[in-house]
Amino acid sequence: AQKVTQAQTEISVVEKEDVTLDCVYETRDTTYYLFWYKQPPSGELVFLIRRNSFDEQNEISGRYSWNFQKSTSSFNFTITASQVVDSAVYFCALSEAPTSGTYKYIFGTGTRLKVLA
Amino acid sequence: DTEVTQTPKHLVMGMTNKKSLKCEQHMGHRAMYWYKQKAKKPPELMFVYSYEKLSINESVPSRFSPECPNSSLLNLHLHALQPEDSALYLCASSQGAGWPQHFGDGTRLSIL
Repeated sequence: AQKVTQAQTEISVVEKEDVTLDCVYETRDTTYYLFWYKQPPSGELVFLIRRNSFDEQNEISGRYSWNFQKSTSSFNFTITASQVVDSAVYFCALSEAPTSGTYKYIFGTGTRLKVLA
Repeated sequence: DTEVTQTPKHLVMGMTNKKSLKCEQHMGHRAMYWYKQKAKKPPELMFVYSYEKLSINESVPSRFSPECPNSSLLNLHLHALQPEDSALYLCASSQGAGWPQHFGDGTRLSIL
């Protein structure tokens, strides 16, 4: 069965600190996709990144970076020099390969990040 | 601005009312989704439409009735809802399975 675990329920940091959000996943598939979404207080989920199971390259986008390690089944997300606007709930999600024909996305329980000024 | 538009943004209804939630996307996506989200919980999948056909129904009570009139529109018809159905209802679309989902702003539904 597929599962996504975000063990950190809530994290508080002071502005300009770096913070890492953990995501551990379980799947029997060899082909799968991992995602991160941001949900600010306004409610909409904002797509941040997609990573497929064959691409273990780390990615950096501005202050955001992602570390994908298949050996530990982890897909962690780091925010460098955090800002108050980064305050939100962050969800990690897993999807099976398109060839499976299923459209299910398994979401973790989310990590609430509070960045204090 | 989100590329998936949901209306209304807020809805308050009694348990005997009938109302509909609407969702529209113009990205050419072939899959559309309804999620229910309670406070401090992750989104919970309700329905998936693929190529305008119902692909997944996650054992949702019949008081929720989805409809996909065309590839750009998705409706959720509500009837005889219960107070526990109060939640944020999110619509999403994607190019297909495994692609990023694009979410609307959601409809905050309150059942009196």
